[in-house]
Amino acid sequence: DTEVTQTPKHLVMGMTNKKSLKCEQHMGHRAMYWYKQKAKKPPELMFVYSYEKLSINESVPSRFSPECPNSSLLNLHLHALQPEDSALYLCASSRGVFVGEVDTEAFFGQGTRLTVV
Amino acid sequence: KQEVTQIPAALSVPEGENLVLNCSFTDSAIYNLQWFRQDPGKGLTSLLLIQSSQREQTSGRLNASLDKSSGRSTLYIAASQPGDSATYLCAVSPTGANSKLTFGKGITLSVRP
Repeated sequence: DTEVTQTPKHLVMGMTNKKSLKCEQHMGHRAMYWYKQKAKKPPELMFVYSYEKLSINESVPSRFSPECPNSSLLNLHLHALQPEDSALYLCASSRGVFVGEVDTEAFFGQGTRLTVV
Repeated sequence: KQEVTQIPAALSVPEGENLVLNCSFTDSAIYNLQWFRQDPGKGLTSLLLIQSSQREQTSGRLNASLDKSSGRSTLYIAASQPGDSATYLCAVSPTGANSKLTFGKGITLSVRP
């Protein structure tokens, strides 16, 4: 099983709403990621969690708040977003993140299409 | 700063043609290189991973090669089919204690029946 599951698939939210994106994997991977992808652009890294601890924050605005409740789950809490935050949000996981790990192949979910109105 | 380039941005070929997609990167200090496929509005599907110590990987009709010294990778697709139509992205991860992927902008492939 190489599946990363993201919910919901689509989300429309107003600028004053609070919502959460969810990501789940059962591959035993210890690194999980959030990426943001705008139309016709490559994915851009937002956050990396390694062994349930935040290891990389790519200077993402505080209106995006990640959370890793356990090794299988990753959430992205959204609050006071702007229309320009509309994008495809991708979650990914990999077995390890440290040099020396044999396998750092990244597996992506199908994404959440977010529209901020 | 690592930069990954994929040229051309789009490619259209007739069905059955063998084709090569190119990827170049500026910093040869990479841990691995990964090729992905993305269908419109969908997530990324991992196609092949090449570790820095390897020169190529094969999966079915796909073959990916890696030349770290020249900063190049190629994805070879044999006997292309309309179902291969998608955007193909390459991504590299650096050496060091993180696996941040740096992506190219992708090549949008259209295989004509």
